[in-house]
Amino acid sequence: DQQVKQNSPSLSVQEGRISILNCDYTNSMFDYFLWYKKYPAEGPTFLISISSIKDKNEDGRFTVFLNKSAKHLSLHIVPSQPGDSAVYFCAASAAGTASKLTFGTGTRLQVTL
Amino acid sequence: DAGITQSPRHKVTETGTPVTLRCHQTENHRYMYWYRQDPGHGLRLIHYSYGVKDTDKGEVSDGYSVSRSKTEDFLLTLESATSSQTSVYFCAISKFGQGNTEAFFGQGTRLTVV
Repeated sequence: DQQVKQNSPSLSVQEGRISILNCDYTNSMFDYFLWYKKYPAEGPTFLISISSIKDKNEDGRFTVFLNKSAKHLSLHIVPSQPGDSAVYFCAASAAGTASKLTFGTGTRLQVTL
Repeated sequence: DAGITQSPRHKVTETGTPVTLRCHQTENHRYMYWYRQDPGHGLRLIHYSYGVKDTDKGEVSDGYSVSRSKTEDFLLTLESATSSQTSVYFCAISKFGQGNTEAFFGQGTRLTVV
């Protein structure tokens, strides 16, 4: 039972354009959502997060949008750069659960020149 | 970078042998976690710790045990390794346990069970 789903295994975007990565969740107890970026042979790196009391959080080129009614979040990267090519994981946690994370299966983003 | 060191980084072991992976942190964070990453599954929680000698099971804990005798060290033990435990293992740490906080990950240990 996949509680966090990333339905697109891969995405290819041209440099300078917008990358949109999507994530859906089923557990209504989740109230904190995170995006991690992972390069090969490295550990996941925290990118950006959003609390369920917000619908948008922005950090430089990265913006995360949360639609609680649809149980959907998305990560926007504008403009996309070749160094953004990596696997992106969506993760979620619930209050009072020792900050345990439930991850999606990841989306591989390739930014082409 | 968060001060998290995993050792070894790579290991090949035979089926049936015990294996211990080590995670060491220098951040003095209370919470520590072991995840495994497999194709098609993302990262899944094996065990976690919420303090010295305080541990609990995660989603995929069968065949694994953990110990935490010091704040900075969290050990993951495969009592009798099986081929299904071939995976990449990540340790993570978190400062708070309320849920609204990020976790920081180590660089991973690639374990192959032959």
